[in-house]
Amino acid sequence: EVQLVESGGGLVQPGGSLRLSCAASGFTFGGSWMSWARQAPGKGLEWVANINQGGSVKHYVDSVKGRFTISRDNAKTSLYLQMNSLRAEDTAVYYCTRDTSGAFDVWGQGTVVTVSS
Amino acid sequence: QSVVTQPPSASGTPGQRVTISCSGSSSNIGSNTVNWYQHLPGTAPKLLIYSNNQRPSGVPDRFSGSKSGTSASLAISGLQSEDEADYYCAAWDDSLIGHVFGGGTKLTVL
Repeated sequence: EVQLVESGGGLVQPGGSLRLSCAASGFTFGGSWMSWARQAPGKGLEWVANINQGGSVKHYVDSVKGRFTISRDNAKTSLYLQMNSLRAEDTAVYYCTRDTSGAFDVWGQGTVVTVSS
Repeated sequence: QSVVTQPPSASGTPGQRVTISCSGSSSNIGSNTVNWYQHLPGTAPKLLIYSNNQRPSGVPDRFSGSKSGTSASLAISGLQSEDEADYYCAAWDDSLIGHVFGGGTKLTVL
């Protein structure tokens, strides 16, 4: 079964850091682009970042550039999102997705990140 | 404010046909394929249409997509109560160098 399972969410103070993880199974992880997307409370979906199969190409939405870092470990079939200098507006459900030719065809259930003092 | 625009809401009665529009620009919809997602609260989003008009296996043929120039649309025929959800279009943006989602359309089945 193709599956993505996120973890690492939680409550963090403004300015703090958090590392999200996504465990992939059921498909050739190392052959897939991967993305993170998020949905803030009461808002729509927003793409956050993506990474190519080998980890050499990464793209970010402007609002997280310089603060978030996407990475992957193909040996562990895992995707990561290191989030630093967190702001209240980063509060959201964060989803790990498989990015197949630009379409997000597999999604995890999401992990909740709350940035608040 | 998203660079891709969708109506915030749409509605229809069971059995009706509903369309949801998605308007972008030459840097996104105009030069890249459009994908559509269905999102029910509390669940993972689901890919509904990819490459403008292709349905993943398991998606009923009641759902169809089209694209013309810098606009796209999702049509749902034979509307059912279970279709009540949020719908998002998305595309790669060559100027922003990233994916962009539309603001989403909340579909209500009356």
